[in-house]
Amino acid sequence: GESVGLHLPTLSVQEGDNSIINCAYSNSASDYFIWYKQESGKGPQFIIDIRSNMDKRQGQRVTVLLNKTVKHLSLQIAATQPGDSAVYFCAENRAGNQFYFGTGTSLTVIP
Amino acid sequence: EPEVTQTPSHQVTQMGQEVILRCVPISNHLYFYWYRQILGQKVEFLVSFYNNEISEKSEIFDDQFSVERPDGSNFTLKIRSTKLEDSAMYFCARKRRGLAGGALGYNEQFFGPGTRLTVL
Repeated sequence: GESVGLHLPTLSVQEGDNSIINCAYSNSASDYFIWYKQESGKGPQFIIDIRSNMDKRQGQRVTVLLNKTVKHLSLQIAATQPGDSAVYFCAENRAGNQFYFGTGTSLTVIP
Repeated sequence: EPEVTQTPSHQVTQMGQEVILRCVPISNHLYFYWYRQILGQKVEFLVSFYNNEISEKSEIFDDQFSVERPDGSNFTLKIRSTKLEDSAMYFCARKRRGLAGGALGYNEQFFGPGTRLTVL
């Protein structure tokens, strides 16, 4: 069946390095994507979004890249900090207001 | 923008019992969602609620579930007869206001801290 999934369940990076978290989706009808960050014991927190008519979008220290050809989404975090340690989810919006979340990648920043 | 709050933070119940989970949003918000997250698994959409009516619901949201906004403020999720597999974190979310449809961020959802439901 169609799904949103992540390539890597865990990722460890040194503080100050850049992090790249990947996400694959299989529904070509999806036209909107969001990256969420979830810290332990908290609800998901919006990071950045992108529409299917875009290839790239930048925020503060974060960049999302969308490759529609291979149905791939990535989140790049520049100069990763200990506070960035969390689980990161991509979510796709296919229609209406339903979002389908991926399983998540756990990012650990090593001081 | 402020987030929603949820009560209780943790609910323990016996299988077959009814539970009501509450979401306390800032007033004047019209669009709300409930999600659940089984431990270690993905966040799953349950239902969206717009202007006091169910807007969309997933296949998970069966007859055991109901939502309402009984007093115009609190937004509740009721599970009529809990099962062991209902044990999960339940998140309430509200939709961002102030952006026109089509603008980036328009569909941003602000999540509450969640209620951990444990069914014994």
